[in-house]
Amino acid sequence: GQNIDQPTEMTATEGAIVQINCTYQTSGFNGLFWYQQHAGEAPTFLSYNVLDGLEEKGRFSSFLSRSKGYSYLLLKELQMKDSASYLCAVRDRSGAGSYQLTFGKGTKLSVIP
Amino acid sequence: SQTIHQWPATLVQPVGSPLSLECTVEGTSNPNLYWYRQAAGRGLQLLFYSVGIGQISSEVPQNLSASRPQDRQFILSSKKLLLSDSSFYLCAWRRSGNSPLHFGNGTRLTVT
Repeated sequence: GQNIDQPTEMTATEGAIVQINCTYQTSGFNGLFWYQQHAGEAPTFLSYNVLDGLEEKGRFSSFLSRSKGYSYLLLKELQMKDSASYLCAVRDRSGAGSYQLTFGKGTKLSVIP
Repeated sequence: SQTIHQWPATLVQPVGSPLSLECTVEGTSNPNLYWYRQAAGRGLQLLFYSVGIGQISSEVPQNLSASRPQDRQFILSSKKLLLSDSSFYLCAWRRSGNSPLHFGNGTRLTVT
């Protein structure tokens, strides 16, 4: 992933639904990952998409459109503990010929009461 | 289950001093191992990765180096730290194929 864009910050209300978008430009696409990172902590894996469509995992869902270079992470029934940065990461073929993961700068989500 | 250990959690070092951060993975064999760096307000930057013992690939040329002396051990080093090396360093592992990265807890390095 040589160019990954996602909003810098978002704010949403507890109990609501929020969608975090990610667009990317790459060649040799081999999957898109979403990670959650709380302040001062390491990222933790949330979801993985390699084919077009929606992957659902509890309150979190992730969507991918390869033709549009677009993904989103959908968080339902927001809780205060969901306040964190959400990182979009694209796996593609690096210059050395191996597949590597490139991360976006992350979207800082603030959940307010 | 697999676990990844990274230490120390925090480190304060003077400019010009050496660095050694260690990372070990348990519960799996022949993992792909990675060192990332995350500066404040910036994305994760891949520094080094390794697909096997003694095999190190560097993504960004700088005053850091990495070594993999054993299958599940990955070490990040520097001979002389710079102020700009202050950052949050993360070790990660994954299996081959499309498996996700799993991160260690990270080391917050401050160079003074």
